[in-house]
Amino acid sequence: KQEVTQIPAALSVPEGENLVLNCSFTDSAIYNLQWFRQDPGKGLTSLLLIQSSQREQTSGRLNASLDKSSGRSTLYIAASQPGDSATYLCAVRPGAGGTSYGKLTFGQGTILTVHP
Amino acid sequence: NAGVTQTPKFQVLKTGQSMTLQCAQDMNHNSMYWYRQDPGMGLRLIYYSASEGTTDKGEVPNGYNVSRLNKREFSLRLESAAPSQTSVYFCASHRGYEYEQYFGPGTRLTVT
Repeated sequence: KQEVTQIPAALSVPEGENLVLNCSFTDSAIYNLQWFRQDPGKGLTSLLLIQSSQREQTSGRLNASLDKSSGRSTLYIAASQPGDSATYLCAVRPGAGGTSYGKLTFGQGTILTVHP
Repeated sequence: NAGVTQTPKFQVLKTGQSMTLQCAQDMNHNSMYWYRQDPGMGLRLIYYSASEGTTDKGEVPNGYNVSRLNKREFSLRLESAAPSQTSVYFCASHRGYEYEQYFGPGTRLTVT
C-alpha cells in the first residue's frame, strides 16, 4: 500500500527566506505527483503537477522536483512571503498494477508559517 | 468557470437524520471523487466515479452512498448520520489521470 510522508510537519520562517518542503512515498510505481496548498477553512488549490517522466516543474516562485527511483519530491519556495502561510499537501497518483491505481494518496501536510 | 462547487457549505444534523451533499463541476471532467478530511487522519477517499455511469468504493465507504447523476454532478448521501461522520467533505474532479485534480471548497458537517 502506498504511503506518503511529509517532513517537517510544521515550519516557521521569517519573510524572505528560501525554503524546502519534503515529500516521500514508499512505492515508486507512480503515475504522477501533485502539490496542493490549503488555507484554513478552505479547499485544496493545485500548485504543481509532475508526471512520472519529469524531473521538475516550475510556477513563479515555486519549483517542485521528483526523484521517482528514491521515492522523493521537494517543493522549493523562493523568497517566502506571509501570504505563503498555509498547509502544503503532497499527493501521489499510483501507477497501473495495483488496487489503488489512479487514486491520489495524500501526505499529512506541512503547516508553513511565514512571519513578517 | 466556477470549477468545482459544493452545497451546502455548512450543515448540522442530529444522529439518524439523512442528507445529501451536492457537487457539480463545469470543466467537462470525466472523473469525480468524494473525500473526507479529519484532524490527524488526512484526506481519505470515500467513493469515486471514474466516468459517467460508474461508481466505486474508496477507502472509507461505510455509511455513505453516491450517485453520478450526469457528467457534471456527483452526490454523496448519508442515510443515517452518526457522530463519527462529523468531518469536512470535499468533492474533486479531473479530466484524466495525467491531468491536475481540482477540489471544491468543502462542506463542514457536524452530527450531534
